[in-house]
Order: sequence, then C-alpha cells, then structure tokens
Amino acid sequence: EADIYQTPRYLVIGTGKKITLECSQTMGHDKMYWYQQDPGMELHLIHYSYGVNSTEKGDLSSESTVSRIRTEHFPLTLESARPSHTSQYLCASSEAYEQYFGPGTRLTVT
Amino acid sequence: KQEVTQIPAALSVPEGENLVLNCSFTDSAIYNLQWFRQDPGKGLTSLLLIQSSQREQTSGRLNASLDKSSGRSTLYIAASQPGDSATYLCAVRDDKIIFGKGTRLHILP
Repeated sequence: EADIYQTPRYLVIGTGKKITLECSQTMGHDKMYWYQQDPGMELHLIHYSYGVNSTEKGDLSSESTVSRIRTEHFPLTLESARPSHTSQYLCASSEAYEQYFGPGTRLTVT
Repeated sequence: KQEVTQIPAALSVPEGENLVLNCSFTDSAIYNLQWFRQDPGKGLTSLLLIQSSQREQTSGRLNASLDKSSGRSTLYIAASQPGDSATYLCAVRDDKIIFGKGTRLHILP
C-alpha cells in the first residue's frame, strides 16, 4: 500500500492569491512528480525531482514552482493564481519502476 | 516523440462480461508499461506493471499483456463487476513517463 498524501484535497481561491499544494510520501522514494490533469483529459507532467535539491520542469509549461528540501516533501507553489490554473494536480513518487499516486488536489481559481 | 493511444475512449458492457482495453505506443524502446485505474476526482491506483522484458502480468481478474515490437498492450478484465467502473489509463516509460487519455469503462448492473 502506497503512502503518499496531498493537501488540501479541494481548494477554491481568488485570482492573485499565492497557494502551495502539499505532497508528502513516507516510502523514502527519491523520485517525485507533479502532474496536471483537466477533466477527461490526459495527465501532463509539469515538474519532477530525482532527489533532494533536484527539480526539473516537465513537458507541460507551468507557471508553478517546486522545491525538494526533504526527501519526503515536494510542495508546488503558485505565486499568483489565475483562472487558467483551475485543474486537478496529482503528485506521484517512485523508487525503481512503479509510480504511486496521491489522491490529488482539485484547484478552482475564481 | 512517444505517443500513447487508448482505444476505445469509452466502453459500456453488461456485468459479467469479459472485456479488453487497448493501449498502443509509437516508440517500442520503453522500459516498462503500467496500467492504472482512476475513479472520478481521485488519484491513480496502480493495477499492473509490465517490464520491457516481460510479456504479461496477472493480478486477480486482471491480465495485462505487452508486445513491444508491435507497440501494443492490452488489459483483460474477466467477469466484470459494477465496481470495475472507472477510467483505465496506461503509461509507458522511456526517458519520461507518457500517459494515454484513458478508457472510461462503465459496467452495467
């Protein structure tokens, strides 16, 4: 059973606010990922990390930023939220080959 | 550039039937292929992982096959149940992980 957590699960916030989506895992995995998924659409990788102090941008351009100060923690930050950021954000981790996903954060920016 | 396609996009079948979901990919140089299940508004649950050297994996009523040379994988679900209703996603890993758009499965009671 994978232990990967995301908070909040749901967030409705006004335009221009700064937000941080939390992701943590207790499996000691080095690799962590953030995906963005619009309803009914495929997942797009927006950020990934292969270990502490390592972060890379994914395939989909995103205005968000990430940090990896601790192995278990991989937060995603939006400095100024916009309605175009409305989406579901999924965090995942992996050790060797298999990915484990958190429950996701559904973000709505009004 | 790797592309992953899942057919059909949506499928409705009566309870009890066996069914097959398809996944195809354009570049056969993959490390592995993973099948996931996603319930509405939720995260992804890993179902089966097939390494590039493997031909199939089985878990309960699920069986996934991999044919790298033809760029295809199938997910076979035996004796379908209403609880199997969900979106099924496949993902291939080469130097990145690429997801298909998924197949929305609805099992009719």
